[in-house]
Order: sequence, then structure tokens, then C-alpha cells
Amino acid sequence: KNEVEQSPQNLTAQEGEFITINCSYSVGISALHWLQQHPGGGIVSLFMLSSGKKKHGRLIATINIQEKHSSLHITASHPRDSAVYICAVRGTSGSRLTFGEGTQLTVNP
Amino acid sequence: ETGVTQSPTHLIKTRGQQVTLRCSSQSGHNTVSWYQQALGQGPQFIFQYYREEENGRGNFPPRFSGLQFPNYSSELNVNALELDDSALYLCASSLLAGGAQYFGPGTRLLVL
Repeated sequence: KNEVEQSPQNLTAQEGEFITINCSYSVGISALHWLQQHPGGGIVSLFMLSSGKKKHGRLIATINIQEKHSSLHITASHPRDSAVYICAVRGTSGSRLTFGEGTQLTVNP
Repeated sequence: ETGVTQSPTHLIKTRGQQVTLRCSSQSGHNTVSWYQQALGQGPQFIFQYYREEENGRGNFPPRFSGLQFPNYSSELNVNALELDDSALYLCASSLLAGGAQYFGPGTRLLVL
């Protein structure tokens, strides 16, 4: 079992829909990252959080430390949101990141 | 402020050869982490360098080695290349060893 599990693996939505991507982890963490990866490989860091909730534009990330679970929400989705969304956690000792396998999101117009 | 850059962008090698990938960290960042991302998978941690010293290593064999220079740029060297080494290699820099990481665009390596 991977230390970081994401669901769903693939997600197709219509423009305007509300989207949720989930991440569960099995280890103690000091921080959780949500990352966006476009075709071609470049990775952009969306959020780093260790508690509560963060919002940036149409993106919202939440984390529940007790349940070892985080969600990434996209409101009013748009075709340009199509990308792979990756959850990564940093353990309590050391600074290495452990990544989920990513969620491929496709938003159709 | 310049972002993280990597070179080359693409590279083709044959089995048994050696390769060096390069990463320039974001201005002011003293920590560089390297990751390998196979097709369709999430990145895997290779190692991290902090102030020119290795600061953690993932489950990769010794033929994966690295360096960090006084200007905090970094190299990833892979010896005796194998077909399974074909992947996207990402570096990420951060201001602190445990801080937010800023990723470069990656180097796509194909081993034939």
C-alpha cells in the first residue's frame, strides 16, 4: 500500500462543474502539498498546508490531520484546469516529499 | 528573481552510458531536491542537498549520485544507465530544507 493514495485516478468533468480530488496518507506529516503538472512535465506548487483550509482563486485545499486526509476543490472548473493534480506529504523527520500517483483531470468545454 | 531551471530539456542515451543533469535553483534557495518520475506515476524522491551536503536519500542505487555547488546549483549523475532509468527528472529548490519547493521544468531522459 502506498503511503499516499489519491482518488480518483482519472476525472472528467464539464466546464463549470465543482471538482473534488482526495488524498489519504498513512504516515505522520509536517506538511502536505498540492501540485499541478501540465503536459510536458512542469510542476507548479498550488498549496502547502499543515492544518485547516487555504483558498486561492477558484482553488480550495483542506486538510484533516486526525483523519489523515486532504481534499483539493476546484470551483467553476474550466478547460485550462485540465492537468494532473498531485498530492505530496513531508514526513515529521527529514524533508523528503512522498508523492501520490496523481489525478488526471480533464475538463471539457 | 529567476525560477528553477534545468538542462538539458531532453536527452537520449544508450544502456551503459553515463548522464549528467543540471539544475539551477531559485535565487536565494540553498536546498535542492531531485525526483524521478516514470511515465504515469508520481515523482519518487532521489536525494536532497542542503548547503553542499547530501541531506537525505531515497531508495535509489549508488549509481545515482549528486553534487551541489557553492552557488547552490546542483547536478544529478547516473552511471551505467538502464532502460528503466527512462523518466522525467525533476529538481526542486527551497529556501529551507523543509520549506515550500519550487520545481523546475524537468529533463526527459530516454535510455535505449
